[in-house]
Amino acid sequence: SAVISQKPSRDICQRGTSLTIQCQVDSQVTMMFWYRQQPGQSLTLIATANQGSEATYESGFVIDKFPISRPNLTFSTLTVSNLSPEDSSIYLCSAGDRSSGNTIYFGEGSWLTVV
Amino acid sequence: AQKITQTQPGMFVQEKEAVTLDCTYDTSDPSYGLFWYKQPSSGEMIFLIYQGSYDQQNATEGRYSLNFQKARKSANLVISASQLGDSAMYFCAMRPLIQGAQKLVFGQGTRLTINP
Repeated sequence: SAVISQKPSRDICQRGTSLTIQCQVDSQVTMMFWYRQQPGQSLTLIATANQGSEATYESGFVIDKFPISRPNLTFSTLTVSNLSPEDSSIYLCSAGDRSSGNTIYFGEGSWLTVV
Repeated sequence: AQKITQTQPGMFVQEKEAVTLDCTYDTSDPSYGLFWYKQPSSGEMIFLIYQGSYDQQNATEGRYSLNFQKARKSANLVISASQLGDSAMYFCAMRPLIQGAQKLVFGQGTRLTINP
C-alpha cells in the first residue's frame, strides 16, 4: 500500500496570510488529489495534480486561491491563499499506485484553523 | 454523474455487536470501484475495504465485509464484533474504473458510536 505523508498536521493562521501544505508519497504515482473537508462535512475534491502539467480544478475552486505544484512523481504542494475563516478545514492529499491496484490512499490530513 | 448516498447520519451500537452501515450509489459507468474509509477524530482517512463492480465475491478484510448487491446498487459495510475503537465517521466512496480516472466521490458519512 502507498504511504502518504502530509505536513503540517495542524496549523493556526491569521486571515489574509497563506498556508502551504506538503504531500509526499513513498512511491511514484501519476495523479495526486487534494480534497477539502469543511467542519462536519464530507470530502470535496479541490483539484487533480498531474506531474508536468497544470492542475485540473473542480468547479468552485480556482488556481489563484489554491495554487498547486507537482514537481515530480512523489511530491505535491497545495497553497491556500488569502486565508479567511471559511477556509478552516481539513485538507487531505490522496493518491493511488499500480501496486495498490484500484485502492486510493490518503495522507493524515492537515487541520487548518484561520483566526 | 456519480452519486453516493449514506442515509444514516448516526449509529449507536453495543460493543461486540455486529453493525451494518448503509451505502447506495448511482452511476452510468459500466465498471466502477466502491470504497469504505474510516475517519477517527484525528482526521486521517483510513482505507478499510474495496469492491470492484465485476468482482464475483463480496470483499472481506478481517472484521470488515462489504455486502455488495449490484442490482440494488448497494454496498453496505458490515463490521463484526464491534470494538470501542470502531467509533468514528465512516465514508462510502466510488470511482469509475477507467484508466486515469481516480477521482473519488464520497457520501455524507455515518458517525458510528460503540457503547461499552
